[in-house]
Amino acid sequence: SQTIHQWPATLVQPVGSPLSLECTVEGTSNPNLYWYRQAAGRGLQLLFYSVGIGQISSEVPQNLSASRPQDRQFILSSKKLLLSDSGFYLCAWSRFSGGSTDTQYFGPGTRLTVL
Amino acid sequence: AQTVTQSQPEMSVQEAETVTLSCTYDTSESDYYLFWYKQPPSRQMILVIRQEAYKQQNATENRFSVNFQKAAKSFSLKISDSQLGDAAMYFCAYYGGATNKLIFGTGTLLAVQP
Repeated sequence: SQTIHQWPATLVQPVGSPLSLECTVEGTSNPNLYWYRQAAGRGLQLLFYSVGIGQISSEVPQNLSASRPQDRQFILSSKKLLLSDSGFYLCAWSRFSGGSTDTQYFGPGTRLTVL
Repeated sequence: AQTVTQSQPEMSVQEAETVTLSCTYDTSESDYYLFWYKQPPSRQMILVIRQEAYKQQNATENRFSVNFQKAAKSFSLKISDSQLGDAAMYFCAYYGGATNKLIFGTGTLLAVQP
């Protein structure tokens, strides 16, 4: 069966510090990978998605970036965090289905607080 | 642009009773997918049910079923025999080929009273 991991689970960082959140998927190959952010009391906002190694699409201009160094690894980064980067970050995966969609399955999330 | 609307910010149901959560969406596409996700206090998003727009039959998953009205662009979730563990935020979501991304509603917070 497939599983998705995210770490760390919780992170408190000062403004201006760098960020690296990691997401890995097990039990599948060539998945589509996604990063979402959820602000308190709100729905999910898609930040980045990737259909393959080194292929990243950005949905929202911001000071965050994403990378996919390996097939089942997706990393969310920032060089300098802003207060507005606080939130709950969710990684998700779906099967690559060549143009149609498959269900997205979510990881446990990372709660980021920027002080 | 596609939008998803959940008009009920909060709902409450008695244990063992039935509750229906509403969702409407706006799209010009004919082929798309609709989902209900559950987010318990742990905040992990859990898939509840999925509906393909080309299927006329409403999807069901145990105590969870949907009422999919394509012409009305309505996609409600019915939870039967509600349990305490059903208490969570429920999100309706839309996926269509034009945007190639999952679009979420703002969620409905469901409380289950013992």
